Amino acid sequence: DIVMTQSPDSLTVSLGERATINCKSSQTVLYISNNRNYLAWYQQKPGQPPKLLIYWASTRESGVPDRFSGSGSGTDFTLTVSSLQAEDAAVYYCQQYYTTPFTFGQGTKLEIK
Amino acid sequence: QVQLVESGGAVVQPGRSLRLSCAASGFTFGNYGMHWVRQAPGKGLEWVAVIWYDGSNKNYGDSVKGRFTISRDNSKNTLYLQMNSLRVEDTAVYYCARDPETKSVPDNYFDHWGQGTLVTVSS
Repeated sequence: DIVMTQSPDSLTVSLGERATINCKSSQTVLYISNNRNYLAWYQQKPGQPPKLLIYWASTRESGVPDRFSGSGSGTDFTLTVSSLQAEDAAVYYCQQYYTTPFTFGQGTKLEIK
Repeated sequence: QVQLVESGGAVVQPGRSLRLSCAASGFTFGNYGMHWVRQAPGKGLEWVAVIWYDGSNKNYGDSVKGRFTISRDNSKNTLYLQMNSLRVEDTAVYYCARDPETKSVPDNYFDHWGQGTLVTVSS
């Protein structure tokens, strides 16, 4: 199985500042034949289901604010939230969909100062 | 708008069975692959199973393989998860989630989620 490891487990960032969450996969999730990274990011607020933010590592889902961006390739990925808003407080998960079983990172709790 | 509504969650004893349902609306259900994803209380997300848009292919996570069966009825716009031989560690909120790909091999990420239904396995 591909193990997804996020860092840090939690972070506190001030309003208006930038937050960076890292995700590392135990093997590549880059499919050479189409040059796509099979990596998604989700946001989950308490009592709610997860919400898709980013897919193919860097494609923002429709309706997601452009302060959310994804980057990286191969085994190392980053979710950046620029200019943090109060509503961005949540747990964030990365997920690989390169191969079954599709696996998630353990989650990163983002708190706003 | 896309709506997914799970039902069937309950408190059950270890070894018993339970069937979950997910009623879909707001989109052409039969065109999309569908997944079940679960989340144990206070824990992270675990993918459970996928079924292709036409039901022709299914795949399961290792922890449920041989015990759980995913199925769908496209005439009823409903997804199912039959859970047999339940274990304490199956306790979780179970979400149904839509795959974004239409009428093809699933992409295997999740663009819409239901609110979830809680399954508690306890003696």
